[in-house]
Amino acid sequence: DSGVTQTPKHLITATGQRVTLRCSPRSGDLSVYWYQQSLDQGLQFLIQYYNGEERAKGNILERFSAQQFPDLHSELNLSSLELGDSALYFCASSVEGKGEQFFGPGTRLTVL
Amino acid sequence: QQQVKQSPQSLIVQKGGISIINCAYENTAFDYFPWYQQFPGKGPALLIAIRPDVSEKKEGRFTISFNKSAKQFSLHIMDSQPGDSATYFCAVRSGAGSYQLTFGKGTKLSVIP
Repeated sequence: DSGVTQTPKHLITATGQRVTLRCSPRSGDLSVYWYQQSLDQGLQFLIQYYNGEERAKGNILERFSAQQFPDLHSELNLSSLELGDSALYFCASSVEGKGEQFFGPGTRLTVL
Repeated sequence: QQQVKQSPQSLIVQKGGISIINCAYENTAFDYFPWYQQFPGKGPALLIAIRPDVSEKKEGRFTISFNKSAKQFSLHIMDSQPGDSATYFCAVRSGAGSYQLTFGKGTKLSVIP
């Protein structure tokens, strides 16, 4: 158990819908990262937050957004969902921007 | 542009044997090279990591060998066990600005009795 928690574990929704994935980092970690894992693209970095502020953006679609709250938990919002958004979404956290990253158990998103 | 090339895609090793997974990278600005282990239905778990100022790091049965000039690093699993059967990912991290990890495509390891 990495200490990073993610909810929900599974999410099934329809195309065009909007969902919110939640992540709580390890106690004391200030940095949160979101990654997407799919069969064709592998593990890809989406976005990083550090102590409430966006630090870096990767291959994140404009339909996706994220934020980190004062209690350091983070949410990833996915809107106008498409079939191709079906994937595993992982959150990772680290003590600070440069520390080791520890991954949560992931949220499996299925878009029908 | 694939910044990290991992091989092989899959690997079958007999119990007690040595498993070797290789990664090659292109950007010399990377400053941290971790390996992650992932079991089906679970998140990636940090296994071992190395920084470019050392050529080898060993933790138990797991060893990273790092060749800075060749821009390659590898994971060696000694005395491989069926419980090691998982997917292994190498990753690289930029030393400047963003600390995102860029992952290889993964290697599915099967250790057979």
